[in-house]
Amino acid sequence: DAGVTQSPTHLIKTRGQQVTLRCSPKSGHDTVSWYQQALGQGPQFIFQYYEEEERQRGNFPDRFSGHQFPNYSSELNVNALLLGDSALYLCASTLTSRYTDTQYFGPGTRLTVL
Amino acid sequence: AQSVTQPDIHITVSEGASLELRCNYSYGATPYLFWYVQSPGQGLQLLLKYFSGDTLVQGIKGFEAEFKRSQSSFNLRKPSVHWSDAAEYFCAVGAGGTSYGKLTFGQGTILTVHP
Repeated sequence: DAGVTQSPTHLIKTRGQQVTLRCSPKSGHDTVSWYQQALGQGPQFIFQYYEEEERQRGNFPDRFSGHQFPNYSSELNVNALLLGDSALYLCASTLTSRYTDTQYFGPGTRLTVL
Repeated sequence: AQSVTQPDIHITVSEGASLELRCNYSYGATPYLFWYVQSPGQGLQLLLKYFSGDTLVQGIKGFEAEFKRSQSSFNLRKPSVHWSDAAEYFCAVGAGGTSYGKLTFGQGTILTVHP
């Protein structure tokens, strides 16, 4: 049973560029959440996708957008990259119908903005 | 708004010693509480969770945590630490219902284990 997978593992971009990160949820899960973890900090919630729609959003600007596909996989897009966007981006999946279920995290994508 | 405070940024213990990592939360209703562990360069692994019922929760790797509503705390404990427990530990709180998916994390506690 595959867990949550993310690609790519590492990414280097320059300021102003755009980036797309990808996530495949754990088998049987239908809900994907994205978190940003800056160095030395705890993860911060970006948004959550369920039934191909954004269900919740944290305090992140519109430069951060996402998408969920019919197979439940998800993408995180960041436009007009800033130096401060450098972080580990974590994807987590769960099953909404089991509201006491836990979120399972992927290994993350390390984004460096130069 | 929910929040989590982990007062200890860094803790050092000797192998075989007992461990307690502190976590205080702020949330208006009954919280869902979690402890995750993160090794360097890795994602988060769930150690244990509390949703309801018995306030003493057992997790993986010999960890346990106790929910104390009166103190708004959810401290993580282990009776005897192993060198492989060295990692960063995060406490998190989640809301219920349709908001359950949003987790709010503390800043983390780095655990160093001396031989």
